Amino acid sequence: DAKTTQPPSMDCAEGRAANLPCNHSTISGNEYVYWYRQIHSQGPQYIIHGLKNNETNEMASLIITEDRKSSTLILPHATLRDTAVYYCIAANYGGATNKLIFGTGTLLAVQP
Amino acid sequence: GAVVSQHPSWVICKSGTSVKIECRSLDFQATTMFWYRQFPKQSLMLMATSNEGSKATYEQGVEKDKFLINHASLTLSTLTVTSAHPEDSSFYICSARELGWGGNYGYTFGSGTRLTVV
Repeated sequence: DAKTTQPPSMDCAEGRAANLPCNHSTISGNEYVYWYRQIHSQGPQYIIHGLKNNETNEMASLIITEDRKSSTLILPHATLRDTAVYYCIAANYGGATNKLIFGTGTLLAVQP
Repeated sequence: GAVVSQHPSWVICKSGTSVKIECRSLDFQATTMFWYRQFPKQSLMLMATSNEGSKATYEQGVEKDKFLINHASLTLSTLTVTSAHPEDSSFYICSARELGWGGNYGYTFGSGTRLTVV
């Protein structure tokens, strides 16, 4: 699985958009980009995933560059409850050995 | 959506005893489940992959005789920490994999178990 690189921490003002970057320059063609977040002392929560097209759901948007070497998770209107560690993971799809390996993630602190 | 129930949410045990943690997929069948461990201020570390009806696959450095995994049904995997010691105190999290639409996998996580060994 490709290694991902994220900034260790970011701040965002409440109500503003939070843009969380992720670098995955060694991603292979059959690896998806998954985003999860973990609020303190809870299990990770799925946010969104994508292969090469931009994706949007009720929680967030995922922008993947054309060369797929990086992506950005966008929380359009951050709230205090969005304070969490956000993990970007590149992982294969469809294979029996597929699994999620977590990196260090980005601690997003939403400020009032 | 998919729900994974993990029990207990926290447990305190004496050094030398064993502790069992259960992970259940409530509304889907999971042929594969995963067990992670997380120490304070660190990321999740994958311990093992649990496959229904077969032996678990452990990551390098994880003692399989200490962390016993059983995946006896399509909805239940258990992790038993045997002869627990204070250094085993950690946050243990399970995840169940489901084959979703489009042919790619979805991973749902349990809420975690806080183990404290005294």
